[in-house]
Amino acid sequence: SQQGEEDPQALSIQEGENATMNCSYKTSINNLQWYRQNSGRGLVHLILIRSNEREKHSGRLRVTLDTSKKSSSLLITASRAADTASYFCATDLPGNTPLVFGKGTRLSVIA
Amino acid sequence: DAGITQSPRHKVTETGTPVTLRCHQTENHRYMYWYRQDPGHGLRLIHYSYGVKDTDKGEVSDGYSVSRSKTEDFLLTLESATSSQTSVYFCAISPTGAYGYTFGSGTRLTVV
Repeated sequence: SQQGEEDPQALSIQEGENATMNCSYKTSINNLQWYRQNSGRGLVHLILIRSNEREKHSGRLRVTLDTSKKSSSLLITASRAADTASYFCATDLPGNTPLVFGKGTRLSVIA
Repeated sequence: DAGITQSPRHKVTETGTPVTLRCHQTENHRYMYWYRQDPGHGLRLIHYSYGVKDTDKGEVSDGYSVSRSKTEDFLLTLESATSSQTSVYFCAISPTGAYGYTFGSGTRLTVV
């Protein structure tokens, strides 16, 4: 069964708007990571938030983590056409096991 | 991507033939992974390695084997390719196994 599930599956917004995507997971984690995948390319690591952190920022990215609800959100502010991509959350579970990826959110930013 | 290359980038093969995909890294990272990506399923782990000759199975390992005889190379073999193995295969590397993975550009495999 999938550990991380992103919501929504697809999102379409206008350039300049903010984009929010969510990730829910099922079991305790060490950390949660977000990745971006442009069409036809490999995934690129964006940001990591540890289980004892609640919020983290990196440029136009803001990630929150609520361990009580087992959920995370990724906010992209002032979106650009170049942000068009699929975004995946990945959970790092206790026990040094490989990351488990969700199915992703497809973001389309329309110029 | 910098430090990690996959070959071939594209391959078409016939059902029943063996196929080997190669992942090569220049980062000297301990951990290497093979994932497959399919519509509706996201990325699913096939096998991974935590050192030379140290490998373990992932979620969808049936029909696949791996080998890692050198730090820099991680090979994925489909013993007898089936149409259900048509997919995009990604290799990833990590120094610690916990933090950000670096992914290759992928191999698109079609089994006809």
